[in-house]
Amino acid sequence: GENVGLHLPTLSVQEGDNSIINCAYSNSASDYFIWYKQESGKGPQFIIDIRSNMDKRQGQRVTVLLNKTVKHLSLQIAATQPGDSAVYFCAENPRGGGNKLTFGTGTQLKVEL
Amino acid sequence: DAGVIQSPRHEVTEMGQEVTLRCKPISGHNSLFWYRQTMMRGLELLIYFNNNVPIDDSGMPEDRFSAKMPNASFSTLKIQPSEPRDSAVYFCASSYNRNQPQHFGDGTRLSIL
Repeated sequence: GENVGLHLPTLSVQEGDNSIINCAYSNSASDYFIWYKQESGKGPQFIIDIRSNMDKRQGQRVTVLLNKTVKHLSLQIAATQPGDSAVYFCAENPRGGGNKLTFGTGTQLKVEL
Repeated sequence: DAGVIQSPRHEVTEMGQEVTLRCKPISGHNSLFWYRQTMMRGLELLIYFNNNVPIDDSGMPEDRFSAKMPNASFSTLKIQPSEPRDSAVYFCASSYNRNQPQHFGDGTRLSIL
């Protein structure tokens, strides 16, 4: 039979535009969140993290926003570059869950020249 | 800085054979995680260790899978006997503590024929 894999949502942006990748997390007890980038053939690479006592954190060209009211996390990438093309995962660490992370299914970002 | 180191990068073997995957975590990290990634199921946590002690192995698929961490700088994931459905990319990750990012190796791509 046909092999049906996970359907990854895809975001296509023009080079130079800003990208916004969204994630809905599941556990209201989660108090730590991470964004990862995964390029083909490589492991997930840490981008930025945020704790639940914050609602915004900025890095180099990236910003993470946390809305605990609606359990929503977003990653904003400024001036998107071809090297930003990858799958992006959000992950949450529930309080009381030890060191375990729960990963989302991922979003494929494609940067068009 | 040396990241998480996994070996081998690729493994192709026939079903029924024993497979051993190896991981060296980042020095000073006290938590180590084994994940499996497939198109069908995404990224799944198999087991994690804290201070060399297995904490949660609920993700280990069945008794054919076993993991050890004999010391703070080395862990193995063993599959015996291997089956074609075990084909996947296996990642190892390590972290310093809770609410600290996990850092991933580049994975072992395992193909069971």
